[in-house]
Amino acid sequence: GAGVSQSPSNKVTEKGKDVELRCDPISGHTALYWYRQSLGQGLEFLIYFQGNSAPDKSGLPSDRFSAERTGGSVSTLTIQRTQQEDSAVYLCASSGTSGSYNEQFFGPGTRLTVL
Amino acid sequence: DAKTTQPNSMESNEEEPVHLPCNHSTISGTDYIHWYRQLPSQGPEYVIHGLTSNVNNRMASLAIAEDRKSSTLILHRATLRDAAVYYCILRRGSNYKLTFGKGTLLTVNP
Repeated sequence: GAGVSQSPSNKVTEKGKDVELRCDPISGHTALYWYRQSLGQGLEFLIYFQGNSAPDKSGLPSDRFSAERTGGSVSTLTIQRTQQEDSAVYLCASSGTSGSYNEQFFGPGTRLTVL
Repeated sequence: DAKTTQPNSMESNEEEPVHLPCNHSTISGTDYIHWYRQLPSQGPEYVIHGLTSNVNNRMASLAIAEDRKSSTLILHRATLRDAAVYYCILRRGSNYKLTFGKGTLLTVNP
């Protein structure tokens, strides 16, 4: 079946512009996660959605970052007034139920470059 | 979250077994040991996980020390497609977050 998809695969933007990154999770998965991976670094947790519960936003690095998940499916990560340090690969993952034990399925990521 | 320690890199030859170590001396009783791998230019991929007993699946085996302070991911016959960064992650039973370290870069020589 279809895996997690993300779009765009690459995004180049100028400092100060806003960007939107999209994630389509695996159909039926209730949990959705955003991570980012800076060059040569491990993955950094950003935000977690589970069903209709309030999202865990504890990993968002600043108030320029926000995310929403519409209809319990597609999610959009928005970065306002992008900075060069925002350049990274943004990865989305989904899992089947509560996420506490289930494996997370990752998308291919969106590579964001801020000039 | 408890921390894991892995070698920065390892090398193996094709069709030979590979043992990837992970130390987690501060592991708690409710921490699951997860392994993910990340192939070049791809998102991470789940490999295996366990709590106390050794585990086997189609991809690999996980050997967990009796005191749970270390574990070893075993690839029985390495292939070129196994070249990746392997992450050992402790995940508390109630915690949905995965905390990735820098992992072990595995190089497989033909």
